[in-house]
Amino acid sequence: QVQLRESGPGLVKPSETLSLTCIVSGASVSSGSYYWNWIRQPPGKRLEWIGYIDYSGNTNYNPSLKSRATISPDMSKNQFSLRLTSVTAADTAVYYCARGDFLTNWGQGTLVIVSS
Amino acid sequence: EIVLTQSPGTLSLSPGERATLSCRASQSVSSNFLAWYQQKPGQAPRLVVYGASSRATGIPDRFSGSGSGTDFTLTISRLEPEDFAVYYCQQYDSSRWTFGQGTKVEVK
Repeated sequence: QVQLRESGPGLVKPSETLSLTCIVSGASVSSGSYYWNWIRQPPGKRLEWIGYIDYSGNTNYNPSLKSRATISPDMSKNQFSLRLTSVTAADTAVYYCARGDFLTNWGQGTLVIVSS
Repeated sequence: EIVLTQSPGTLSLSPGERATLSCRASQSVSSNFLAWYQQKPGQAPRLVVYGASSRATGIPDRFSGSGSGTDFTLTISRLEPEDFAVYYCQQYDSSRWTFGQGTKVEVK
């Protein structure tokens, strides 16, 4: 059974960098032809795809984030991470990690608040 | 970017009734790379349909997806109490994946 779990700080100051990790069990981030995604949902708003890394380490990002997002793997720990630089209040959201292109497996989500 | 527009915004129905949710794309979604998700308050979304019409594992057969090109539909044939939730469509055709704004199915 594939399980994903997000971890990271729940509060980030404006202009700083948001860093989250997705811990994966039951599947390998370095094999299997899957996409490993970050998605977010601001309070009361629609889901927004941030980007993905695939099993080969190729990445693809939502251009609306203006190159602030970086997704990277940690094969030794079977996890992948998100860094989002220069955050503002608009980056306050529940952040999810998920597997696939149609997203079959999701983490439970973690709320990140951007505030001083 | 493919923009997905869902309608209606809210659907007020009673248990046992039929729900029909629409998702319209701003340009054609090739190979029917269109999925539907169910989200309940405080929970992560759950995959319901992928490939426009294939039910995900564990999804009851009262859920069905249809459509192609720019017009897609999710139908719930007879609403059960656990089906009241927000439903999102998502396209994974273009290099930039996008979601619709959601349809809330609420108890009338």
